[in-house]
Amino acid sequence: GDSVTQMEGPVTLSEEAFLTINCTYTATGYPSLFWYVQYPGEGLQLLLKATKADDKGSNKGFEATYRKETTSFHLEKGSVQVSDSAVYFCALAYGNNRLAFGKGNQVVVIP
Amino acid sequence: NAGVMQNPRHLVRRRGQEARLRCSPMKGHSHVYWYRQLPEEGLKFMVYLQKENIIDESGMPKERFSAEFPKEGPSILRIQQVVRGDSAAYFCASSPTGGDNQPQHFGDGTRLSIL
Repeated sequence: GDSVTQMEGPVTLSEEAFLTINCTYTATGYPSLFWYVQYPGEGLQLLLKATKADDKGSNKGFEATYRKETTSFHLEKGSVQVSDSAVYFCALAYGNNRLAFGKGNQVVVIP
Repeated sequence: NAGVMQNPRHLVRRRGQEARLRCSPMKGHSHVYWYRQLPEEGLKFMVYLQKENIIDESGMPKERFSAEFPKEGPSILRIQQVVRGDSAAYFCASSPTGGDNQPQHFGDGTRLSIL
């Protein structure tokens, strides 16, 4: 079935460093792709989305490009801040707008 | 401009009791989704509802779990005879329509703990 795979393990980096979180997907057809962010004790907030191949989603300095040839939707940010510390989830929408999520990556930004 | 409202935020039940989780979607949204998040896992789809209709319950356990979204009032996720394995965070999301391009807006979740 449709699924999303995120790189294993937490990500720890220094303030102003470059952030990449890998996300690949398996799907029939061309699903919409999303990145959600979850701060401690809160629900998920939509960070960005892309609905077709080669679309680039962007928000708050984060970017991700829908790559059909590599079935990927990697999240990047050029210069992270302490306030970016959170858990990041990659997701795809399939049948009846259900979302399939990756396991998430804890990002810790050290001042 | 209220978002998706879930209550309670935290719920503690003993094994064998019933748990009721409530979700009020964003204003103007008539599509509701429930997800479950186990510790250190991503969210797993449970059920998708519109007003008075269950559209997709393919992610719901076959026993003890039920969901409804009545014409008036919030959506309810009900878990009967809870067991330890039901301990998780349960999130509700809503969207204005059901199309695949519609982003879902999430509530802050209900953290269910089973003693």
